[in-house]
Amino acid sequence: EPEVTQTPSHQVTQMGQEVILRCVPISNHLYFYWYRQILGQKVEFLVSFYNNEISEKSEIFDDQFSVERPDGSNFTLKIRSTKLEDSAMYFCARLPGVGTEAFFGQGTRLTVV
Amino acid sequence: DQQVKQNSPSLSVQEGRISILNCDYTNSMFDYFLWYKKYPAEGPTFLISISSIKDKNEDGRFTVFLNKSAKHLSLHIVPSQPGDSAVYFCAASGLGNQFYFGTGTSLTVIP
Repeated sequence: EPEVTQTPSHQVTQMGQEVILRCVPISNHLYFYWYRQILGQKVEFLVSFYNNEISEKSEIFDDQFSVERPDGSNFTLKIRSTKLEDSAMYFCARLPGVGTEAFFGQGTRLTVV
Repeated sequence: DQQVKQNSPSLSVQEGRISILNCDYTNSMFDYFLWYKKYPAEGPTFLISISSIKDKNEDGRFTVFLNKSAKHLSLHIVPSQPGDSAVYFCAASGLGNQFYFGTGTSLTVIP
């Protein structure tokens, strides 16, 4: 399976700034996900995206977060006003279809200072 | 609330021996279970899966066992190799296809 590419690999931003994390999955896949992992903690679900709409989101995914698939290929996660506790590894994943495994990107390390 | 739990944060095993990683879940609606392996600074990579209609799935050195009544699954690696040293995540999926991950178990295989 082709890889999922995430950019940037590392992003350092000041608290209160907006960041956009990008993911380039395969365009004909149905399901896309964002997960994050705060250092030393569990992998947490943020949001799932199906058929160009949010299908599920967690409590973490508040109004500061948004997802888009602006050009049918790239899949973006935007954090409008970053907080220190947003520092984490953010993983994008794609799912070809129902009942299959998810393929993850290599992650973007976000550091909020 | 943690729907998928991996109670052992770390495990050390001698090369050549069996590694057994355990995972418990609480949601009886989960019907598809997966193990992912994660190296530092990389995303999780899929290792092996099992659906709820089976109780065992084997792929080379890796075998996953599912005990639905106990809501428990385990990953067996035999023989363990130093390259198996990584963090292993258990994940479960059900309605909605959202994946729920455990906290991970860090496996160290000692040469």
